[in-house]
Amino acid sequence: KAGVTQTPRYLIKTRGQQVTLSCSPISGHRSVSWYQQTPGQGLQFLFEYFSETQRNKGNFPGRFSGRQFSNSRSEMNVSTLELGDSALYLCASRISYEQYFGPGTRLTVT
Amino acid sequence: AQKVTQAQTEISVVEKEDVTLDCVYETRDTTYYLFWYKQPPSGELVFLIRRNSFDEQNEISGRYSWNFQKSTSSFNFTITASQVVDSAVYFCALSEPNRDDKIIFGKGTRLHILP
Repeated sequence: KAGVTQTPRYLIKTRGQQVTLSCSPISGHRSVSWYQQTPGQGLQFLFEYFSETQRNKGNFPGRFSGRQFSNSRSEMNVSTLELGDSALYLCASRISYEQYFGPGTRLTVT
Repeated sequence: AQKVTQAQTEISVVEKEDVTLDCVYETRDTTYYLFWYKQPPSGELVFLIRRNSFDEQNEISGRYSWNFQKSTSSFNFTITASQVVDSAVYFCALSEPNRDDKIIFGKGTRLHILP
């Protein structure tokens, strides 16, 4: 079985721009979660989608949004990028209580 | 509120030594899950173990072992005869399925195994 895939792997954007990241879960997994990882804050939960519905949300501003498609693929969007949004964005797909992570997208905002 | 504390920010040991990574958690629920993940330099988090709150049996998998103690709210991870390939950041995590079911991570412990 293929693992969780994330595209792109690396991204450089300018402050004020917006960005969309993509995640394809493991086949058969209907839950997709997104995390932001920074050196200062560690791994912080952004949101979780299950069957196209947002099931959980972390404490992030409204500039961070996501969606899930009928094939369970998920996208997250960050609008009006700030320097502090530079981070590794990890996606995880889940079945029961086992969560499997993708390789992440490293976003740099300049 | 749920919380996971990994007090050890960084540990260095010489290869073949044993090392224990500490994890202390806080939860108000009686039903919860605990996890350990490994993040090698490549960045991808690798699932190591899941333990539910009703199963206090310790687990051993090769050189890895986990000690779950509800009395002290701890879920410690020991690597026996460490190897250079064990160098990584290790995360402990907690979820409360009867609450919001989010998986909350500790800040991680960076482990250096020196040759």
